[in-house]
Amino acid sequence: GAVVSQHPSRVICKSGTSVKIECRSLDFQATTMFWYRQFPKQSLMLMATSNEGSKATYEQGVEKDKFLINHASLTLSTLTVTSAHPEDSSFYICSAYGPQSRGDGETQYFGPGTRLLVL
Amino acid sequence: AQTVTQSQPEMSVQEAETVTLSCTYDTSESDYYLFWYKQPPSRQMILVIRQEAYKQQNATENRFSVNFQKAAKSFSLKISDSQLGDAAMYFCAYYGNKLVFGAGTILRVKS
Repeated sequence: GAVVSQHPSRVICKSGTSVKIECRSLDFQATTMFWYRQFPKQSLMLMATSNEGSKATYEQGVEKDKFLINHASLTLSTLTVTSAHPEDSSFYICSAYGPQSRGDGETQYFGPGTRLLVL
Repeated sequence: AQTVTQSQPEMSVQEAETVTLSCTYDTSESDYYLFWYKQPPSRQMILVIRQEAYKQQNATENRFSVNFQKAAKSFSLKISDSQLGDAAMYFCAYYGNKLVFGAGTILRVKS
């Protein structure tokens, strides 16, 4: 299957600072990437859809100015958590449409996630 | 809006036995995709199996198979010959124009 990487895998920062998370498609091009947030033992919640060369589409209730998304190339999307606060601590996961190993259509492949802890 | 319901928060299965995880969904669309994803303790989401709604044949992938009942909007996952490595959180997901996840089912495998 297609490989999606994320960096960093975990980050600890002080309240008020900004944190950037990178999501890369390693062996395919991704015009669309997705950012999810997951709290412990809960499901994934879609935050935003990142489109290469255009503005991201945010889900209802997600602050655009808090979570800045940039999709500068066909293999890279970044999520910047601005002025992070303890309530932003969570597990952030990105995904991208990638080619299936067999069959038709596309499937979302997920990065390994980034654990953010804001002190 | 589409919703996905997994009514089993936790399930247990003996090694080498078979277990079925339930999933129902709600949609007014006729063309969509359904997925089962596995999330082990590493938290890496792994695609287990995928089903296109227009296909009547149930998808299979080695020890994993689904029972897709379109009229009933049901999409259960059967794991045969369960292995210790199958222990994980399993998410059912629906894709129409975006991926919507169920709450997940924790699967424990007993040796």
